[in-house]
Parts: sequence; C-alpha cells; structure tokens
Amino acid sequence: NAGVTQTPKFQVLKTGQSMTLQCAQDMNHNSMYWYRQDPGMGLRLIYYSASEGTTDKGEVPNGYNVSRLNKREFSLRLESAAPSQTSVYFCASSEIGTSSSYEQYFGPGTRLTVT
Amino acid sequence: QKEVEQDPGPLSVPEGAIVSLNCTYSNSAFQYFMWYRQYSRKGPELLMYTYSSGNKEDGRFTAQVDKSSKYISLFIRDSQPSDSATYLCAMSRSNTGNQFYFGTGTSLTVIP
Repeated sequence: NAGVTQTPKFQVLKTGQSMTLQCAQDMNHNSMYWYRQDPGMGLRLIYYSASEGTTDKGEVPNGYNVSRLNKREFSLRLESAAPSQTSVYFCASSEIGTSSSYEQYFGPGTRLTVT
Repeated sequence: QKEVEQDPGPLSVPEGAIVSLNCTYSNSAFQYFMWYRQYSRKGPELLMYTYSSGNKEDGRFTAQVDKSSKYISLFIRDSQPSDSATYLCAMSRSNTGNQFYFGTGTSLTVIP
C-alpha cells in the first residue's frame, strides 16, 4: 500500500516549456487534489476532483490544467511554464462523504523550478 | 484578509517544554478543524482533527477550538526533538470536503 505517489520528485524547466506532473493513489479514494506550497503562502488549492470524471478550479488555477484519468490517477499540466510557477506541488486524496472525509493524504511532493 | 492566519515562527524550545501553536480564522462557517505535521521535504500528514468547538486529546497532543473567538490551538506536552517540524492548521465548512483552507504553517524546533 503506497498511499499517494507523485512523479517526478524534482524538475527544472525553462520558461515556456510544458510538463505534466503525475499523481496516483491506491486507497480507492474518490476525491483528489493538487496544491502548491510557497514560502509565506501556505498550501493553496490549484484544482480538485470530487469524483472520477469531474474537476473544478481551486484558488490558483491560472496556468494549469488537470485530467482525472481514472479513479486512481490525477495529473497536473503546465502548458507554458513561467518562473512564478516555481513551487513545491503536492497531490492529495480523501474519501468524501464518510466519517473520515476531513483527512487528506498527501504525496511526497514535486519540487519544480522554472528558470 | 486571508481565511486562515497562522504565525510562521520559527519557534525554538528546549526538550520537555510545552508548545502552543495557534491559528485564527475569519469564516464563521468553518466546522472542521485539522492540524497537519510536515517534516522537511515531506508531504503533510494529519495529526489531529476536531469537529466544532471543544478539546481533543491524543497522547501528548491536545487540540482546542474556540469558535466564539475564531481561534484554534495545538498544545504539545513534553516536547521531543522528533516533534521538530512545520505544523499547519486547516479547516473546512463541511465534510463534503471540496475546499480545505490551510494556514501558512509554524516551524518548530525542539532542542535536545
């Protein structure tokens, strides 16, 4: 049981390049999330997917797209990377609608630098 | 104004001290209150959870919620070097849970 896994762990991009961050969970959770964490800003929600087939914008969606590929996988795409997207990205999952839906399980993070 | 405010610290205490970590919030609709612990270069992990007002104790950790003051606290008794981490508060309006609001985190170092 690996929990939430993310790839890659580290990435350096040049301005304008694109890339996709991958996330997978093996807990059969219905909801998945993408956050970014910046110094002094805390965790900010980029996109979330309440269930397979649905996605919604969070607090900071500009410059990102997401795909809920199936129940296990939720990817985050940067189409044209900008230095302002330098951050640590975390994927999380939870089981909404149950007694423990308040608990989010986080992956280990992807450290992205855009030069 | 941010939904959730948290003093970033850093906080440095000697081993065995009692630690108090706090968050304030502005949205009276929040009902679910969580504390996450994040070790360096790791993802956050849930430490404590409280619904509505009141106290909850789990070993050396106690979470308190005062909804009238919009103030939550986490107390760590007999702090250990292994408690050195960043502590994030989080809250949400409901357990349909599509929006969680996090504080910026408080960095804690417990000195042996």
